[in-house]
Amino acid sequence: DAGITQSPRHKVTETGTPVTLRCHQTENHRYMYWYRQDPGHGLRLIHYSYGVKDTDKGEVSDGYSVSRSKTEDFLLTLESATSSQTSVYFCATLNSDRAGDTQYFGPGTRLTVL
Amino acid sequence: SQQGEEDPQALSIQEGENATMNCSYKTSINNLQWYRQNSGRGLVHLILIRSNEREKHSGRLRVTLDTSKKSSSLLITASRAADTASYFCATDGAAGNKLTFGGGTRVLVKP
Repeated sequence: DAGITQSPRHKVTETGTPVTLRCHQTENHRYMYWYRQDPGHGLRLIHYSYGVKDTDKGEVSDGYSVSRSKTEDFLLTLESATSSQTSVYFCATLNSDRAGDTQYFGPGTRLTVL
Repeated sequence: SQQGEEDPQALSIQEGENATMNCSYKTSINNLQWYRQNSGRGLVHLILIRSNEREKHSGRLRVTLDTSKKSSSLLITASRAADTASYFCATDGAAGNKLTFGGGTRVLVKP
């Protein structure tokens, strides 16, 4: 456990409402990631950050935005939630050492958009 | 599309048996990693194998990598009920700081 927390852990919202998910890490890792996990698709990268205020798009970024104002916090925002964004969202950080680059994952946020 | 594809998608074995799952990928890699996910939890890193390595061991885990075939296998020996989980392979790209995950293999170890 690399000290990654996600909030909220569960959320039910309605189509068209804005939603913000928060990821907090205590490891001072430079890289942070947001993934979504859906049956039949594995994990897909939404956005990632390589430093404060430095972010880039992943494979499935449409409909999502992110912000990173502090090293420890990475926010994922759905500006106007749609039912297709019902998913489990995972945050991860990257640990780099002599063994290689490995990712540590948070516990996930289950989002349901009605 | 996914870089890594696991095979089989699901596997059911008895406790004490070995579990083998495979991963195929499409492009050149620096390293390949395997992760485990217990139901309702986040992924946990298991083992990393570099592109210049052919085999690696960690406890009851054995990973092989064949870069000529763009494939890897994960063997769990003497499986336990606690090994019940989904297992994912992940590959990096040229930049090395992004991973692409396969769809996973669901392993059920029956007591």
